[in-house]
Amino acid sequence: NAGVTQTPKFQVLKTGQSMTLQCAQDMNHEYMSWYRQDPGMGLRLIHYSVGAGITDQGEVPNGYNVSRSTTEDFPLRLLSAAPSQTSVYFCASSYSSLAETQYFGPGTRLLVL
Amino acid sequence: AQSVTQLDSQVPVFEEAPVELRCNYSSSVSVYLFWYVQYPNQGLQLLLKYLSGSTLVKGINGFEAEFNKSQTSFHLRKPSVHISDTAEYFCAVSVSEDSSYKLIFGSGTRLLVRP
Repeated sequence: NAGVTQTPKFQVLKTGQSMTLQCAQDMNHEYMSWYRQDPGMGLRLIHYSVGAGITDQGEVPNGYNVSRSTTEDFPLRLLSAAPSQTSVYFCASSYSSLAETQYFGPGTRLLVL
Repeated sequence: AQSVTQLDSQVPVFEEAPVELRCNYSSSVSVYLFWYVQYPNQGLQLLLKYLSGSTLVKGINGFEAEFNKSQTSFHLRKPSVHISDTAEYFCAVSVSEDSSYKLIFGSGTRLLVRP
């Protein structure tokens, strides 16, 4: 199993550009989530999904969109990038809920100029 | 609102010395507790977790943690650290809210093991 994969590993954007961060898992997990990691702030939940077709907002959802058309994939879209979105983004999955072990991808480092 | 506090942002320690990384949480309801480790340029991986039962939990790489309900703490310990333990450690709490769970992370503690 590849586990949780994320692409790209690193991306530079200009303010106002849009892009999609890809996340896929091959463990048949129902629960998937996106976090951003900023220095001194730990991980903050952006959006999550409890299954295909079902998504909900986390702690810091503004400026991001998600969709979940399949169990395997959970892309994160930046609609109009801002310098405040410079961060490291992690995708995670678990079998059924946030009460269980989260399996994290390797992360995407995003720089918005 | 629930919160997780990791008081130490960085803990330097010499190799083979013991270490304790502190974690306190604020919640009046039942919680699940986790410690994750992040090695440089990698994602997080589970070190250990407390769901119920014995308050002393053993994890990978010789780490253990003790759940103390009265002090709302879940400190991580290792009796003898190795250079390879240099990493960032995150405490996380999962609490039930409105029939679903929320996972809240602390700000992290960077463990720096020196030879």
